Amino acid sequence: SQELEQSPQSLIVQEGKNLTINCTSSKTLYGLYWYKQKYGEGLIFLMMLQKGGEEKSHEKITAKLDEKKQQSSLHITASQPSHAGIYLCGADMRGFKTIFGAGTRLFVKA
Amino acid sequence: DVKVTQSSRYLVKRTGEKVFLECVQDMDHENMFWYRQDPGLGLRLIYFSYDVKMKEKGDIPEGYSVSREKKERFSLILESASTNQTSMYLCASGWGGTNYGYTFGSGTRLTVV
Repeated sequence: SQELEQSPQSLIVQEGKNLTINCTSSKTLYGLYWYKQKYGEGLIFLMMLQKGGEEKSHEKITAKLDEKKQQSSLHITASQPSHAGIYLCGADMRGFKTIFGAGTRLFVKA
Repeated sequence: DVKVTQSSRYLVKRTGEKVFLECVQDMDHENMFWYRQDPGLGLRLIYFSYDVKMKEKGDIPEGYSVSREKKERFSLILESASTNQTSMYLCASGWGGTNYGYTFGSGTRLTVV
């Protein structure tokens, strides 16, 4: 069964709008990663969160980790066409294994 | 920049063929991984390796094997390809306990006919 749930599965936004993607774990999070994937390509690391309440930013992308809720949210401000792609959250559950959510497909309309 | 290079972007193989997917990284990383990515299922870990000649099963190792004879190269082997192994295969590498995530290759889209 899926241990990391992402929502929404897909998202279409108008350029310039803000958006949020959520990632919820069924188990304790020791480290939460956010990656972006352009369609048909590999993953690009965005940021990693470890501590409850931690917040990091990468350009116009901000991610927070709510450790109590075992949830992370990724927020994009003033979306641009370059933000389009698939956003995946990953988590270190045990040892070296990182598992991933199913991804959120983001489309940005110009 | 760290590079993880996968030998093929697209591959078409016949059912029953033995298939080799190659992955090479140039940063002396200890850990290397093979994932497959399918719509609605995300990335699923097939095998990983934390040292030369060491390997560990991931979540879906059935039908696959791996080889890591040199630190920079991690090969995924489909012993007898089947149509349900049609997928996008992604290789990744990184340090243990990294704070920087892993570096992924561009992926190999394998179609088994």
